[in-house]
Amino acid sequence: AQTVTQSQPEMSVQEAETVTLSCTYDTSESDYYLFWYKQPPSRQMILVIRQEAYKQQNATENRFSVNFQKAAKSFSLKISDSQLGDAAMYFCAYRRSGNDMRFGAGTRLTVKP
Amino acid sequence: DSGVTQTPKHLITATGQRVTLRCSPRSGDLSVYWYQQSLDQGLQFLIQYYNGEERAKGNILERFSAQQFPDLHSELNLSSLELGDSALYFCASSVVSQGEGLALSFGSGTRLTVV
Repeated sequence: AQTVTQSQPEMSVQEAETVTLSCTYDTSESDYYLFWYKQPPSRQMILVIRQEAYKQQNATENRFSVNFQKAAKSFSLKISDSQLGDAAMYFCAYRRSGNDMRFGAGTRLTVKP
Repeated sequence: DSGVTQTPKHLITATGQRVTLRCSPRSGDLSVYWYQQSLDQGLQFLIQYYNGEERAKGNILERFSAQQFPDLHSELNLSSLELGDSALYFCASSVVSQGEGLALSFGSGTRLTVV
């Protein structure tokens, strides 16, 4: 069974600084997808970034980037130039084609002004 | 706007009662997924439907059931409700188009409170 582990229940960052959220996963598959979702206080689930396992290049979306280490089964999210609006729960997720998406327990990010 | 519509947004009901949550997926999406999120916890997969057929089951209680109709909307039925069933219930549909990499698009959720 695929499992996703987020070992940091809470993180905080100063506004304009950089923070990295950790995620590890367990799978025996070679073809899969990884995601980071953001859940602000509104509770809406918002896709932040995605990574295809077959791609070696790390995904980047504006201030958000990932460090994907396939052999280590690690998928961390880096947020640069943190903004107050980045404060939210962040969930790491794993999915194989056609299957359901499995989520980690989440990391609550606080941004200090 | 994710394109996934869930109704109602809030629901308060008593223990022992039965409720129905409704979801309309994004236009063109054939798969619907139901997730449960208890307070300050991660999302737990309940069940998946694809084009009207049950595709996969997660940790769904026997008191819970779901179906997907020919127009692709889905309903999640929760019966004999207990206090512990209070949670946020999400519906998601599968984005299958070039460049969107199998991400799930989520509705805004139904917050169920059992009193």
